[in-house]
Parts: sequence; structure tokens; C-alpha cells
Amino acid sequence: QVQLQESGPGPVKPSETLSLTCSVSGYSISRGYYWGWIRQSPGKGLEWIASIHESGSTHYNPSLKSRVTISVDTSKNQFSLRLTSMTAADTAVYYCARAEVGDFDYWGQGTLVTVSS
Amino acid sequence: EIVLTQSPGTLSLSPGERATLSCRASQSVSGNYLAWYQQKPGQAPRLLIYAASNRATGIPDRFSGSGSGTDFTLTISRLEPEDFAVYYCQQYGSLLPWTFGQGTKVEIK
Repeated sequence: QVQLQESGPGPVKPSETLSLTCSVSGYSISRGYYWGWIRQSPGKGLEWIASIHESGSTHYNPSLKSRVTISVDTSKNQFSLRLTSMTAADTAVYYCARAEVGDFDYWGQGTLVTVSS
Repeated sequence: EIVLTQSPGTLSLSPGERATLSCRASQSVSGNYLAWYQQKPGQAPRLLIYAASNRATGIPDRFSGSGSGTDFTLTISRLEPEDFAVYYCQQYGSLLPWTFGQGTKVEIK
């Protein structure tokens, strides 16, 4: 059974950088698929952030691309998200998920990230 | 950016009834790469349908997807108690960003 689990810092201060990691179990990232990050906030609904293939190929949401980095560590079976210059508008539940292309079939439980001074 | 508009916003139905949810795209979705998800409170979305009409693994056959181009439909043939939830469509075609609709809530009448 494929399982994904997000880990992160909890509260973040404005202007700081968010770093999230998604640990994958039950499936080896190096076998393929895309791995992505999606966030959900009451104001903006569901928003796709970025995806990465185990080969290193990446796709970014153009509206966030200048602030986002997605990376994969196949040795740890993890992938990560960095989002710089955080503001209150970035407050959301952040999910990691697996996708054949962009259709996400396995999701983590989500982690709430609150941006507050 | 492709904007997905879902209708209706809320659907009030009784168990056993048929639910028809609509998702309209502002431009054609390449490859008909359109997915449907179900989300319950406090849970992550669950993939129901991919590529417009293909059921994901383990999804009951009362869920079906149809459509192409800019107009897509999710049909639940007979609502079960566990089907009352919020449903989202998402396009993942060649035009980035991949986007989600605003959701349709299916509530018990």
C-alpha cells in the first residue's frame, strides 16, 4: 500500500522560507511516476504547486515558479518543497501526492502551514 | 490558465437518487486529461476518475465520467450515504498550470 506523509515546521513567519518533505512508503520513487505538491486554502481552493519525475523532470505553477523549488531524494525515498518569501496568502493545508501524469492517485494526509508573525 | 467552472455549487439529493455534476473549461483540455476527486471533511481528496472517463483503482462502478473538449460530467448513478461530499474536477493537460474547479457539494436533502 502506497503511503505518503508530509513533515514540516508548523508556523512560519512572514518572509521566511517554507521547507516541506514528503516521505513515501510502499513504493519506490525511483520506479517512476510524478510526485507533486498541492495546497488548499479557504480562499483559493485547491492549487497545484509543482511536480517532479524521478528522472528529475519538473513542472511548476507559473504563478509560484519564482519562489518554488521541488526536489527528489531517491536514496531516502522522499521528495521536498521549498517556498520562499512566505506571506499570509500562503497559509494553507499542503498535500504531497503521486501522479501518473497530473492525476493524483495517492495523497498524504496534509499538513497545515500557518504564516504569522 | 484554464479556468474550470463547476455547477451546481450545491446539489441536494436523497440516497438512491442520481447525481449529475458538471465541469466546464474555459478552453479545450488537451488529451481530455480531466480528473474528478471526492473530498470529505478533514481528509485529502480521493481520485475517482482520470482521463475524463476512466475509473481509478477501487472506485465503485456507480461513479462514471464523460465528456471531452470543454464539457465534462461526473455521474453517480445511485447515491450511497458515503457519497455525500465535495467533488472537484481538475485538468492536467499540456497547458500549465494544472487547475482545479471550485467544487460541487453533494448534500443530503
